[in-house]
Amino acid sequence: QSVLTQPPSTSGTPGQRVTISCSGSSSNIGSNTVNWYQQLPGTAPKLLIYSNNQRPSGVPDRVSGSKSGTSASLAISGLQSEDEAEYYCAAWDDSLDGHVVFGGGTRLTVL
Amino acid sequence: QITLKESGPTLVKPTQTLTLTCTFSGFSLSTSRVGVGWIRQPPGKALECLAVIFWTDDKRYSPSLRNRVTITKDTSGNQVVLTMTNMDPADTATYYCAHMGTLFGADFDYWGQGTLVTVSS
Repeated sequence: QSVLTQPPSTSGTPGQRVTISCSGSSSNIGSNTVNWYQQLPGTAPKLLIYSNNQRPSGVPDRVSGSKSGTSASLAISGLQSEDEAEYYCAAWDDSLDGHVVFGGGTRLTVL
Repeated sequence: QITLKESGPTLVKPTQTLTLTCTFSGFSLSTSRVGVGWIRQPPGKALECLAVIFWTDDKRYSPSLRNRVTITKDTSGNQVVLTMTNMDPADTATYYCAHMGTLFGADFDYWGQGTLVTVSS
């Protein structure tokens, strides 16, 4: 059972906009920044969004992140087949001396 | 250019202790605000952060595993070592080490390729 809650799956057609939610609590998302990772099958996760809404170099601007209170969202517009992957949110959690928590992951399928 | 690589046994027996080494280049764990974490992923399941160590030697552990996991650093050798005691088949997973970009940020910006550890008798 993951500390951060994500929907198990979502889908969209090419060109569409999809959003993935991530719900936490006051000890994690409520007081720290949120990061998003993309994991393609058989590969290591890749940092997609950091500090709630910042894109690392090389991540296209059709990918965006936002945070409000104890929840966060990842949005991908202009959906492409290469976006089909597993997506994870993560944040620092201040409870119990502090540690990193992840969401359970959301499988994005491009129809 | 930052790179990380995990090494260690691919097969361990139940009750044994696992020792994994993360060898990195392109940064130093003596540099301010630098951290390295160990993250694992059981087959078909989600990511789980086991431990993080910072340049100050500050260490933070997953609450559910803190009694079994130890993280240490060898600053001169650019290595971080994870030990996990009393291994169980449920600990079968791909184990990754990763560079944390921001102090207490949970933003792992560089990852190793991962190493699959199977726990079986």
